[in-house]
Amino acid sequence: NAGVTQTPKFRILKIGQSMTLQCTQDMNHNYMYWYRQDPGMGLKLIYYSVGAGITDKGEVPNGYNVSRSTTEDFPLRLELAAPSQTSVYFCASSRQMNYEQYFGPGTRLTVT
Amino acid sequence: GQQVMQIPQYQHVQEGEDFTTYCNSSTTLSNIQWYKQRPGGHPVFLIQLVKSGEVKKQKRLTFQFGEAKKNSSLHITATQTTDVGTYFCAGPLQGAQKLVFGQGTRLTINP
Repeated sequence: NAGVTQTPKFRILKIGQSMTLQCTQDMNHNYMYWYRQDPGMGLKLIYYSVGAGITDKGEVPNGYNVSRSTTEDFPLRLELAAPSQTSVYFCASSRQMNYEQYFGPGTRLTVT
Repeated sequence: GQQVMQIPQYQHVQEGEDFTTYCNSSTTLSNIQWYKQRPGGHPVFLIQLVKSGEVKKQKRLTFQFGEAKKNSSLHITATQTTDVGTYFCAGPLQGAQKLVFGQGTRLTINP
């Protein structure tokens, strides 16, 4: 059981570039989430999904897109990277909504 | 909007001293969760409290949920260097399918 896996671990992007952060879970959880964490700060919800084909915006969705074609995968897309998107991105999943969340190891993204 | 506030933001203690972090919500919560994040790591679930006035213990950690279900605390007795990290509380946003995280309390320990 790998739990929640994320790739890549680190990435440096130039302003305006695009990339996809990958997230996969093998726990058969319906609920998945993307958070960002700025240095010394808490977690802010970007997008979440309650099941395959269903996604919704969180607190800070601007500049990001998501899709959920399978239960296992929940990729996060940055279309036009901006310095304000420099952060650590965590993917998480849970069996039930608003209950125990399992986090992936994170992707550290720098936009310069 | 609904907020979950944590205090203090930082706490530095000598090894062996006790530590407490407090979490306050502007609205009643159906449950409160606590997570720990080691430096450079990811948040790890510690516990969930559901009932009003609930107290749960995990070895040296004691978690409380207030009677009004609007506040919570985490108390660590006799801290050890392995307790270093940031402790987050989180509660469900009313009427929505989202967790709101507090900003965390960062604990550092002098060995």
